[in-house]
Amino acid sequence: AQSVSQHNHHVILSEAASLELGCNYSYGGTVNLFWYVQYPGQHLQLLLKYFSGDPLVKGIKGFEAEFIKSKFSFNLRKPSVQWSDTAEYFCAVNAALDYGGSQGNLIFGKGTKLSVKP
Amino acid sequence: DTGVSQDPRHKITKRGQNVTFRCDPISEHNRLYWYRQTLGQGPEFLTYFQNEAQLEKSRLLSDRFSAERPKGSFSTLEIQRTEQGDSAMYLCASSLSRSLYTGELFFGEGSRLTVL
Repeated sequence: AQSVSQHNHHVILSEAASLELGCNYSYGGTVNLFWYVQYPGQHLQLLLKYFSGDPLVKGIKGFEAEFIKSKFSFNLRKPSVQWSDTAEYFCAVNAALDYGGSQGNLIFGKGTKLSVKP
Repeated sequence: DTGVSQDPRHKITKRGQNVTFRCDPISEHNRLYWYRQTLGQGPEFLTYFQNEAQLEKSRLLSDRFSAERPKGSFSTLEIQRTEQGDSAMYLCASSLSRSLYTGELFFGEGSRLTVL
């Protein structure tokens, strides 16, 4: 069965600090990988995704993530955080299918709450 | 607003009562998902539909839970004989299914259930 582990439950940073949130997944086949973000009082929204190709993917608001297949990891990074990045971040995975589609359901990690101090 | 909408946003009920949640997906999306989220946890998959067909159900979906999508548009999630452990945020999401499926799920704001 697929599973996702996020290493940090709560991260507190000052503005302009660099961010790296860890994510490891467990699955024997080819996967698609995602980071979702939930800002306070808002719904979950996609931050970035990896399906194939360049393992370094860039998302919205200056976020990027690197897929390292040998480590089963998909860590999220941002060089300089802002107060507006305060949110909860969820890593998710689903199984990729041969024709380029994906199995329906996403499996989420437990999330990492990021608090950025102004 | 043309996003995913859920109703009601909050529901407080007594143990043993039945509750029903409704989800209206983005109009052109043929896949619809239900997730449950409790405090300190990520969303947990419950079930999903492609058009009106329910393609997968999680083991989390006990016999007291039933989901429908009768015409392939809106969906309902009913919980019978609610228990305190059912208290959670119930999230609906929708997406497109095609060979170049992007995998992006669009989430609603959720329906929060409190069972007293």
